[in-house]
Amino acid sequence: QVHLQESGPGLVKPSQTLSLTCTVSGDSISSGGFYWSWIRQQPGKGLEWIGYIYKSGSAYYDPALKSRVSISIDTSKNQFSLKLTSVTAADTAVYYCARDDGDYGCEYWGQGALVTVSP
Amino acid sequence: SSELTQDPAVSVALGQTVRITCQGDSLRSLYATWYQQKPGQAPVLVFYGENNRPSGIPDRFSGSISGNTASLTITGAQAEDEADYYCNSRDRTGDRRIFGGGTRLTVL
Repeated sequence: QVHLQESGPGLVKPSQTLSLTCTVSGDSISSGGFYWSWIRQQPGKGLEWIGYIYKSGSAYYDPALKSRVSISIDTSKNQFSLKLTSVTAADTAVYYCARDDGDYGCEYWGQGALVTVSP
Repeated sequence: SSELTQDPAVSVALGQTVRITCQGDSLRSLYATWYQQKPGQAPVLVFYGENNRPSGIPDRFSGSISGNTASLTITGAQAEDEADYYCNSRDRTGDRRIFGGGTRLTVL
């Protein structure tokens, strides 16, 4: 069974960088044709796709966040990571990592990590 | 703004059939994926592709597509189906995924 787990600080100050890591177990990031995704959900709002990365390191981002977001992959640790720079209160959200099969979507999700942006 | 449009809320009587719809230009050539999300939980994939349900998803969940509109149908809705439902597809470039705004389903 594939399991994903987000980790990182739950509180980030405005203008700083939000950093989260997703650790994958039950599957190898370096095998298979999957995209490793970040999706967020602001309080009381809908799901927002942030971006994903392929095992090759090729990454794709939502245009609205592209100037501030970076997703990287560490196959040796079976992890992938999210960095979001210059955060504001609007970046307060539950951040999910997920495995995207590239065609249809995400069958496996992490439990989500709440990140609050506050002084 | 989302490029996939969903009704914000839908209700259904217990045991009846409900259709949740999703409209978008990308759906003319791409299938929608549907997620169910209950409060405080991660989304769950409930339907994808032409006619696919992940293991463990009841067969009362089905999907269809016509023109630019995808639909998720729940035949014989149960109390446990009360949740938010999100459609998801790719944008016209194919490089990014997009979500609909979500539909809150209430089972009466």
